[in-house]
This record gives sequence, structure tokens and C-alpha cells, in this order.
Amino acid sequence: DAGVIQSPRHEVTEMGQEVTLRCKPISGHNSLFWYRQTMMRGLELLIYFNNNVPIDDSGMPEDRFSAKMPNASFSTLKIQPSEPRDSAVYFCASRGGTTYNEQFFGPGTRLTVL
Amino acid sequence: AQKVTQAQTEISVVEKEDVTLDCVYETRDTTYYLFWYKQPPSGELVFLIRRNSFDEQNEISGRYSWNFQKSTSSFNFTITASQVVDSAVYFCALNRDSSYKLIFGSGTRLLVRP
Repeated sequence: DAGVIQSPRHEVTEMGQEVTLRCKPISGHNSLFWYRQTMMRGLELLIYFNNNVPIDDSGMPEDRFSAKMPNASFSTLKIQPSEPRDSAVYFCASRGGTTYNEQFFGPGTRLTVL
Repeated sequence: AQKVTQAQTEISVVEKEDVTLDCVYETRDTTYYLFWYKQPPSGELVFLIRRNSFDEQNEISGRYSWNFQKSTSSFNFTITASQVVDSAVYFCALNRDSSYKLIFGSGTRLLVRP
């Protein structure tokens, strides 16, 4: 079975540009999470969806960040406009089905904003 | 409040040595779940194990073993006969029952030298 799929794996952009990160959760999972990992702050939960509905977005840094989940198999995280301090690795994770509470992570997107 | 502490920031061992990664957690809940994740140099987060609070039986999987002790609020991870491929950052995490939030420790970087 395919795991969580994220694209792109690497993204380099200039300050002010729009960035869109994509995620396909594991089929059958009903929960989806977006995380950000930096050296300074470690792993931070940005937003959590359950059955495609955003349940907790309290971790989203500011209005420049937005996330959508139009269906059970696709989610996006958008940053507009991007800033150098957004540089980080962004992970998508999913949970559900016959697994218990464990979250399965995608390979991450390494974002660099110049 | 919930918290996970991984006091060992970095550990360096020589191949074939045994190594134990410590994890201490805090929670007032009676039902909770504990996890270990591995983050190799390639960057992905790999789920290793989940343990329920009501099951203190230790677990062994190949060279990996986990020691869960509620009396000391610890969930330690031992690698026997370490190998260079074990080099990674290892994260311990805690999840309350009926909650979606994973509380991560700060991670322990393990370097296994040949």
C-alpha cells in the first residue's frame, strides 16, 4: 500500500511568491495533519482535518497560511506571500482505518524561501 | 499538562554497542498512548511502535526493544548491536485517548560510528 504522498519534495522560491504544498493521505484514513519542522521549534502541528473538515487550525502561524481538504484523498497547504522565515520542512500525516492513534507521515517538503 | 522529555540530545556509539534512548512523559490521563518515531538523514518520519497505557508488557522487535514503566513514567528504547543504519533522530511522543494531538519530545540524535 502506498504511504502518505507529498509534493513537491523540495521547493525553492523567492520572498513574496505563493507556495502550494500538496498531500495525498493513506487511503481509508479519515484524519489529516500538517506539521512544520524547524531546528528552533521542532515539530509543530499547523492544522488538523477530520473527515475533510478543519477541526483545529490554531497552529497556523498567520493569515498568510491556509489549508484545504476538498476531498478525502487530497489536501493543500498554501503560503501567500511567502517569507524567508517560512523556510522549513513541512510534513503531512494521516491517521485512521484499522490503526489506532498512530500517525503516518509523508516524506516531507523542504521549503526554502530566499 | 502533557509533556515528553528526551534529555539526551545526542548519543554517539560505536557499531555493535547497545544503546538506550530515554523518554520520560507527563500526563494526568489514565488512558494514553506512547510512540517512537525514527527520522533518518533522508528526513522522513518513520513510525516504530505504539504502546497503550494499560499494557505495560515490554516489546521486542528484532534488535529493537521498548521498556514501558508507568511507575517512573518512562518509555525507553534500546537498540541492541547497533548498526550504522540506525543513525537517525529518534522522537518519543504522547497522545491522550480521544485526542488527535501528538506531543513530541525534542528528539535524540543517535550517531553510530563504524
